[in-house]
Amino acid sequence: AQKITQTQPGMFVQEKEAVTLDCTYDTSDQSYGLFWYKQPSSGEMIFLIYQGSYDEQNATEGRYSLNFQKARKSANLVISASQLGDSAMYFCAMREGSGGTSYGKLTFGQGTILTVHP
Amino acid sequence: KAGVTQTPRYLIKTRGQQVTLSCSPISGHRSVSWYQQTPGQGLQFLFEYFSETQRNKGNFPGRFSGRQFSNSRSEMNVSTLELGDSALYLCASSPIFFGGGLRYEQYFGPGTRLTVT
Repeated sequence: AQKITQTQPGMFVQEKEAVTLDCTYDTSDQSYGLFWYKQPSSGEMIFLIYQGSYDEQNATEGRYSLNFQKARKSANLVISASQLGDSAMYFCAMREGSGGTSYGKLTFGQGTILTVHP
Repeated sequence: KAGVTQTPRYLIKTRGQQVTLSCSPISGHRSVSWYQQTPGQGLQFLFEYFSETQRNKGNFPGRFSGRQFSNSRSEMNVSTLELGDSALYLCASSPIFFGGGLRYEQYFGPGTRLTVT
């Protein structure tokens, strides 16, 4: 079963507008972490934001915020004031707490390609 | 501080050959993870190394192997290459391991793009 689902293969947004990228997840662990990464055409994965399962407040990092709805198992990324440089692939990922002594495994969604129009 | 470096950046191999990819983590990082990225399967976890020991392994055949050296540099090897092994191979390093909880970020390298013909 898919652990991370990103239902939007592609999204378009006008420059300076806000956009929400959807992510739902599936885990039986009580302790887990959710990440969003950006992958430009160069290929390198860039960390954007993190939300822990026990965090009571939604995470924010500059123009990025995470709309975390634990009961719905969703962790949507909101980008405010979009810029042309935001055009990239965006991945939602999860690290589950049952990894024991291994924390290196991230499970990724299929990604959403975001295109920002001028 | 230099980022994660991966060599080579691009590689073309023939079916049946073997290949070795290299990853140098950020200085001081001791955990290295490898991922395979393909259009069809997306990003998939290959393995994780810490202190020269494999700590976790993804669901890949035994043709995929790796190792880590005492300086934390890591290599992954794919033997008997198949067309389906064509992918972007990403390496990620992390600054902490035990006790780091779930928060710690993985810093990714630019990847090695492998093409198997």
